Amino acid sequence: EVQLVESGGGLVQPGGSLRLSCAASGFTFSSYWMSWVRQAPGKGLEWVANIKQDGSEKYYVDSVKGRFTISRDNAKNSLYLQMNSLRAEDTAVYYCAREVGALWYYFDYWGQGTLVTVSS
Amino acid sequence: QSVLTQPPSVSGAPGQRVTISCTGSSSNIGAGYDVHWYQQLPGTAPKLLIYGNSNRPSGVPDRFSGSKSGTSASLAISGLQAEDEADYYCQSYDSSLSGYVFGTGTKVTVL
Repeated sequence: EVQLVESGGGLVQPGGSLRLSCAASGFTFSSYWMSWVRQAPGKGLEWVANIKQDGSEKYYVDSVKGRFTISRDNAKNSLYLQMNSLRAEDTAVYYCAREVGALWYYFDYWGQGTLVTVSS
Repeated sequence: QSVLTQPPSVSGAPGQRVTISCTGSSSNIGAGYDVHWYQQLPGTAPKLLIYGNSNRPSGVPDRFSGSKSGTSASLAISGLQAEDEADYYCQSYDSSLSGYVFGTGTKVTVL
């Protein structure tokens, strides 16, 4: 059974940092692109970043470029999101999601999410 | 940055058919990128509902169907049931933004 379990969320002050983790199990983690998707309270979904199987390619939404860094450790079956210079507008539930697709990709499995609150 | 536009809400009586539109542009749906749909029940993570415009993952009832034409896509729910009350999101890729984009989301209410 595919499982994605996020952790690391919490309350942080504006300008602070936080590192999210996503533990994967039930599939060959190293064979898949992985993404972070977030959802602000009462709002819609927003793709944040993704990373290639071997970590050689990473892409980000413009609003987090230069502040967030996505990474992975295939030996530990884990995905990470280092978030620096956090702003109030980064407050959201952060989901990790597995990407699949033949030509155009989509998200077939999602974690339960971890809440990040940026507030003083 | 929701570049895919959906109606905020749709509603229908049990057994009825409802449709949700997803309108994009020439840099996403109109460029030929596939559209995918997700269902998000209250307080839960999104769940894949339709992939590749019109394909259902195993376990998704055939009451759900998807289509795509030009710069738009649609999700149809036939035989509406109380358990279908949820938020629905479309998703595609945008070449101008070089990233994945989601629709604004639609709340389905069963009357």
